[in-house]
Amino acid sequence: QSALTQPPSASGSPGQSVTISCTGTSSDVGAYNYVSWYQQYPGKAPKLIIYEVSKRPSGVPDRFSGSKSGNTASLTVSGLQSEDEADYYCSSYAGSNTFVIFGGGTKLTVL
Amino acid sequence: QVQLVQSGAEVKKPGASVKVSCKASGYTFTGHYIHWVRQAPGQGLEWMGWINLNSGGRNYAQKFQGRVTMTRDTSVSTAYMELSRLRSDDTALYYCARDLEPSDAYSYASFDYWGQGTLVTVSS
Repeated sequence: QSALTQPPSASGSPGQSVTISCTGTSSDVGAYNYVSWYQQYPGKAPKLIIYEVSKRPSGVPDRFSGSKSGNTASLTVSGLQSEDEADYYCSSYAGSNTFVIFGGGTKLTVL
Repeated sequence: QVQLVQSGAEVKKPGASVKVSCKASGYTFTGHYIHWVRQAPGQGLEWMGWINLNSGGRNYAQKFQGRVTMTRDTSVSTAYMELSRLRSDDTALYYCARDLEPSDAYSYASFDYWGQGTLVTVSS
């Protein structure tokens, strides 16, 4: 299966909101409510910020929110801060054969 | 606190094998799956497989079937990933990651703690 489709880049000014999309198919994003989002700073390991479409792990600010409609999941970052500048990856459970597919990543720039 | 500490960088020749370790601490080692995910330079994330540290069960991505072996040593709380018949396009940062779900539940591929990564360079 192909990677989930994310825009290569996104940007916003401090305080604004930005939404990053993640488009899959009816075999992955559309089939299961197991979409995760990861934040990755250069040279660092990814960090889980959203799981099961919209749940936040302990310690993740509520400025980060997730949603899903059909085959497309979305990550919204509200009240943008400079430290939100990072790469963001989505992933989706894709059934027992493929198991998981990642998106290609989106570089978020805070202007 | 939960920590996953991986072994150091490796340089290998094409055709060789590499074995990367991932030592866990701060939680019950057998309590969660461990996954292996790699990231080629400047590229995205690619899942390689998981190992259930309690049962020893494994599930490998089809792409790596026949070349990857995941094992664990519960006596030292360490998981291992061995990749054989290395090629230049296997050059990547290899991460171990803990599954959010416990070992006695089904994994739905959310990874809540990650190792620092191990750079494997394949070059003649």
